[in-house]
Amino acid sequence: AQSVTQLGSHVSVSEGALVLLRCNYSSSVPPYLFWYVQYPNQGLQLLLKYTSAATLVKGINGFEAEFKKSETSFHLTKPSAHMSDAAEYFCAVTHSGGYNKLIFGAGTRLAVHP
Amino acid sequence: DAGVTQSPTHLIKTRGQQVTLRCSPISGHKSVSWYQQVLGQGPQFIFQYYEKEERGRGNFPDRFSARQFPNYSSELNVNALLLGDSALYLCASSSQGGSSYEQYFGPGTRLTVT
Repeated sequence: AQSVTQLGSHVSVSEGALVLLRCNYSSSVPPYLFWYVQYPNQGLQLLLKYTSAATLVKGINGFEAEFKKSETSFHLTKPSAHMSDAAEYFCAVTHSGGYNKLIFGAGTRLAVHP
Repeated sequence: DAGVTQSPTHLIKTRGQQVTLRCSPISGHKSVSWYQQVLGQGPQFIFQYYEKEERGRGNFPDRFSARQFPNYSSELNVNALLLGDSALYLCASSSQGGSSYEQYFGPGTRLTVT
């Protein structure tokens, strides 16, 4: 079975500071990993995905994530936070060869203060 | 290009009633998945349909059913509504059914059961 754990349900940073959102996964098969962002009253938007190519994945809006198999982690980072980054972020896992079933973490709400 | 559309946006139902939610995928997409997002949690997978066939089902009771039409739109039906069915229901479409294909999410339908 696959699962995702997001450490920290709430993260608060100052504008311009580093953003680090943590995601650890559990999977008995090689995983595909995703980060999605959800703004209030909206659906999910894909930020980036790892599908067994380069371990450092760059996404939209300046976000990136690094797949670390030894740590079973896929943490999301952004060098400098903007006010517009305030949202809910979800890490999700699935596996190659399967159908399109995403297993999501509980989410991390990011607050950005001026 | 139009994204994934869902209707209605909001609805309120009474316990025991039945509800039908609708989803139109991005043009050319053949796969539709449904997710339930309870307040404060990550989305949970309900169904995936690909080429009008059910490809996968999550851990939901038989009160939940779905279908996909020849034009690839989809309906999610929930019978005998319970208070716990109150949630945001998200539809996602992808061009194919495999796990490496990006899923695009709609804005969701907010269901409130009273």
